[in-house]
Order: sequence, then structure tokens, then C-alpha cells
Amino acid sequence: DAGITQSPRHKVTETGTPVTLRCHQTENHRYMYWYRQDPGHGLRLIHYSYGVKDTDKGEVSDGYSVSRSKTEDFLLTLESATSSQTSVYFCAISESHGDFTGELFFGEGSRLTVL
Amino acid sequence: AQSVTQLGSHVSVSEGALVLLRCNYSSSVPPYLFWYVQYPNQGLQLLLKYTSAATLVKGINGFEAEFKKSETSFHLTKPSAHMSDAAEYFCAVRNTGFQKLVFGTGTRLLVSP
Repeated sequence: DAGITQSPRHKVTETGTPVTLRCHQTENHRYMYWYRQDPGHGLRLIHYSYGVKDTDKGEVSDGYSVSRSKTEDFLLTLESATSSQTSVYFCAISESHGDFTGELFFGEGSRLTVL
Repeated sequence: AQSVTQLGSHVSVSEGALVLLRCNYSSSVPPYLFWYVQYPNQGLQLLLKYTSAATLVKGINGFEAEFKKSETSFHLTKPSAHMSDAAEYFCAVRNTGFQKLVFGTGTRLLVSP
């Protein structure tokens, strides 16, 4: 199993507060991703990273920022949480050490509720 | 840009019946296609993938999928459903030239005794 840990697993916060979700991997893989899962929308890519300090936007990046200062950690930050950001957030990594193969390994998810 | 469409947000079958979950893709180039499964309160895990080799792809737990270019489809099948197959299934396509996947909206499979 790919060693992926997400924290926190559950969080309830209020509108306007900052929130940071952490994804930690023990596999030294290059690619890391943040998705959000919402009923009727499936999984949508927020941001992804292809190396330390190398990140790019996904399809639903507004209101989110990311940072990757170490290979093993990929942080997702909501600068000012809104109720529309209530969701389940999944981190994923790719085992690709060269070309991207499309095989992702997912963490167990972080459930965020914004009141 | 590549995309996938999953027909039917819910599919119900009886235990022992055929499972058919539909996925159609849109791509201007030969796609890489995937099926992932999500069990309750878990992350997704890879079920099978198509990467332009054999058109019939076999995956874990007895599932298989057939790539049909003429129909732009990649439907997932299993001859005989088991209660443990109850889960949500996602079709996905790799965006050519980009290091990321685009997922469909998912199909929840319900299996009744």
C-alpha cells in the first residue's frame, strides 16, 4: 500500500476562517494531487504538484492555494473558508518515477464542514 | 480536452446478476482510460486501466472492461455480482500531455440479495 496520510480526517470550521489540510507520503513520489468529491460532481481536481515547489491549478482552484516545500508533504489551504467548500478532500499520489502512467493512490479523505 | 461521461448515477442488480456500468469518453487522441472503485468511507483504488494494448482489459475482483473506439465507450462488466461489489465506481481519462486524470461523476452500484 502507498503510504499516504491525510490530516485532519474531520474538521468543522466557520465561514471566513483559514483551513489547511495536509497530505503526507512516505513513498518519495513525484506527483501529488488534491481532489474534492461532491455528490453529482464526482472528483474534481483542485491543484496538483509535479515536484518540490512545482504546482499547477486544476479545474476548481478558485479559493484554494497549495504548497509543496518537501517531497513528502503537499498542503492545501483555504484562505477564507466558505460554505461551498464543504466537501470531502482527497489527496492522491502517482507512483510514476518517469512518465505519468495515470495510476493514482488515494488517501482516506478529509471531511471538511464549513458552517 | 478529454472527458468521460458515466450514464446512470445508480445501478441496482441482484446478487449473481450481470453488472454493467457505462462510460463514454471524449478524446481527440487515443485515450488512456481507467476504472476506479470507492468503498464506503475510503479513498479510491484502481480497478483496471486501458493504455492502448489489448482492448479487453481484466481487472481485480472479476471485473473487466472493453475499449470500443467506434462507440467511444469503455464499459465495465462483471458476469456475476457479489454483495461485496456494492460501491461507487468512477471512470477516468488521462489528459494527454498533462499529468492528471479527469474523473466522471460516478455510478453507485447497489447489490441486493
